[in-house]
Amino acid sequence: AQSVTQPDIHITVSEGASLELRCNYSYGATPYLFWYVQSPGQGLQLLLKYFSGDTLVQGIKGFEAEFKRSQSSFNLRKPSVHWSDAAEYFCAVGSGGGADGLTFGKGTHLIIQP
Amino acid sequence: EAQVTQNPRYLITVTGKKLTVTCSQNMNHEYMSWYRQDPGLGLRQIYYSMNVEVTDKGDVPEGYKVSRKEKRNFPLILESPSPNQTSLYFCASSPPLGTQYFGPGTRLTVL
Repeated sequence: AQSVTQPDIHITVSEGASLELRCNYSYGATPYLFWYVQSPGQGLQLLLKYFSGDTLVQGIKGFEAEFKRSQSSFNLRKPSVHWSDAAEYFCAVGSGGGADGLTFGKGTHLIIQP
Repeated sequence: EAQVTQNPRYLITVTGKKLTVTCSQNMNHEYMSWYRQDPGLGLRQIYYSMNVEVTDKGDVPEGYKVSRKEKRNFPLILESPSPNQTSLYFCASSPPLGTQYFGPGTRLTVL
């Protein structure tokens, strides 16, 4: 069965500092990988996705993620965070592009210090 | 505007009173799904549908029903809600091999 682990429940970062959120997955075939962000009281917004090809993918809001098959990881990065980045971040894995459903990690809550 | 809509957005009900949460998408997507989100557990899939009249269980289907009579609609039915179904519910839709688009969520409280 597929699974996603986000080891960090909470992360606190100073505004302007760099950010890396960890994601490890377990999946039997080539995974389709996603990062979503959920701001307080809001729905889910897709930040970026990896289907195939270049293992470094660029997303919205200045985020990027790198797929490392050997480490079963898909970590999310941003070089300089803004206060508006404070949110819950979810990594997810799926098959068929994720159309028949995604398996989500439990989320990482990002806190931005002034 | 391409979107997934859910109604109601907020609902407080009592144990055992049947309820339906509607979900509609205007993107002509074949696939639709329902998820529930609980603190510390992330999102878990309840049911999904690959097309009209084709549905299948997700990871946590107990206590829920769905139907897909039209391509655009995918209602979630709780025949006899219980307090452990208090949660935040999301509907999503996607084309085959496509990214899922999520609705705004429905916050359900069962007393």
